[in-house]
Amino acid sequence: DGGITQSPKYLFRKEGQNVTLSCEQNLNHDAMYWYRQDPGQGLRLIYYSQIVNDFQKGDIAEGYSVSREKKESFPLTVTSAQKNPTAFYLCASSIFGSQEQETQYFGPGTRLLVL
Amino acid sequence: KQEVTQIPAALSVPEGENLVLNCSFTDSAIYNLQWFRQDPGKGLTSLLLIQSSQREQTSGRLNASLDKSSGRSTLYIAASQPGDSATYLCAALNGANNLFFGTGTRLTVIP
Repeated sequence: DGGITQSPKYLFRKEGQNVTLSCEQNLNHDAMYWYRQDPGQGLRLIYYSQIVNDFQKGDIAEGYSVSREKKESFPLTVTSAQKNPTAFYLCASSIFGSQEQETQYFGPGTRLLVL
Repeated sequence: KQEVTQIPAALSVPEGENLVLNCSFTDSAIYNLQWFRQDPGKGLTSLLLIQSSQREQTSGRLNASLDKSSGRSTLYIAASQPGDSATYLCAALNGANNLFFGTGTRLTVIP
């Protein structure tokens, strides 16, 4: 059963703490993405990766870090430098990341809350 | 920078009505325009993708059109059903492979 999984579904962060959100895909897609969704706003791109061991910053990368050591995995770390981390985080993937006709496939999301 | 706007922000219709959701974008140099559906607290599901060279795409009761010159796309839903209730998002893909999303239209279909 192919798809994208994100864990955990809910995550709580204490002040000054780094937390890591997991994203795994078994679709054999090359490209993976992280978005942040806030109420009343569209999705905003945090980071994306088109190939293993390579990634680029999106519009709102400050306070976040990523790694892409394996094709199927693209974890996102929310660092203590991110002062307003409360949001819904969505991971996505696409086949090549540069094709006019391809769409992105999304995971179920992780809701991050600050204690 | 690309800006994508969706109007209206919310829409309620009785079951069985046909409806149109609107999406506008500021930069016409797009690779494609995509429509997604999002249920509360869930991820996005792709509905339709229109390539820059195309004018429309159809899937079942859904029809999406694209007019690049005017920076507009519409999503037409025929014979709406309560199961269509969700937030509908449009997104424009640029040449740098960045997908710019609108803020969505929250649709409620009343039985």
